[in-house]
Amino acid sequence: ILNVEQSPQSLHVQEGDSTNFTCSFPSSNFYALHWYRWETAKSPEALFVMTLNGDEKKKGRISATLNTKEGYSYLYIKGSQPEDSATYLCASDIHGSGNTGKLIFGQGTTLQVKP
Amino acid sequence: EAQVTQNPRYLITVTGKKLTVTCSQNMNHEYMSWYRQDPGLGLRQIYYSMNVEVTDKGDVPEGYKVSRKEKRNFPLILESPSPNQTSLYFCASSRSGGPQHFGDGTRLSIL
Repeated sequence: ILNVEQSPQSLHVQEGDSTNFTCSFPSSNFYALHWYRWETAKSPEALFVMTLNGDEKKKGRISATLNTKEGYSYLYIKGSQPEDSATYLCASDIHGSGNTGKLIFGQGTTLQVKP
Repeated sequence: EAQVTQNPRYLITVTGKKLTVTCSQNMNHEYMSWYRQDPGLGLRQIYYSMNVEVTDKGDVPEGYKVSRKEKRNFPLILESPSPNQTSLYFCASSRSGGPQHFGDGTRLSIL
């Protein structure tokens, strides 16, 4: 099994702080990198799907970058708010021959934002 | 409303009693998957399907079966459930190259 690693495992920040997390994935046979936001007692919701090296995507205060050559992606949250508290998951589709639907998820980074 | 619907949401049953968790999506997605979520292990893919009659094993397929006879449905079958299959299960669907849309989850307890 090829691993997708996320760090840190958990993070506590104050409201207003900006923060970032890392997702490392196998760079060989890369197809796409997904980011999801998972609130307690809910199901994961998609944030971004990224495919191109150097790609940067943004949704409100959340943005993500992708480096497929070295196998990492960063997720940034600017000015964290208590409602940003959640577990952030990344997942890699690592079949370079095309989209197969086979995803490998990291274990997530759990963010707690204190008011 | 676009959604992925799983049933049941909760089930407590006993070892060896066959059970099926249904999953249905109304978005005409080609891809469907089943995941289990266990503390400290994250989301692990059980089986996935790229289209009708096309299924393949994920990372933890042992003890599970699936079928994809229709595009909208992707049931998960536990022929002889065991306690180590106690977990939170998610079904998801996606179009080609798109993000996963998850159902609300099914919490299974196998006694």
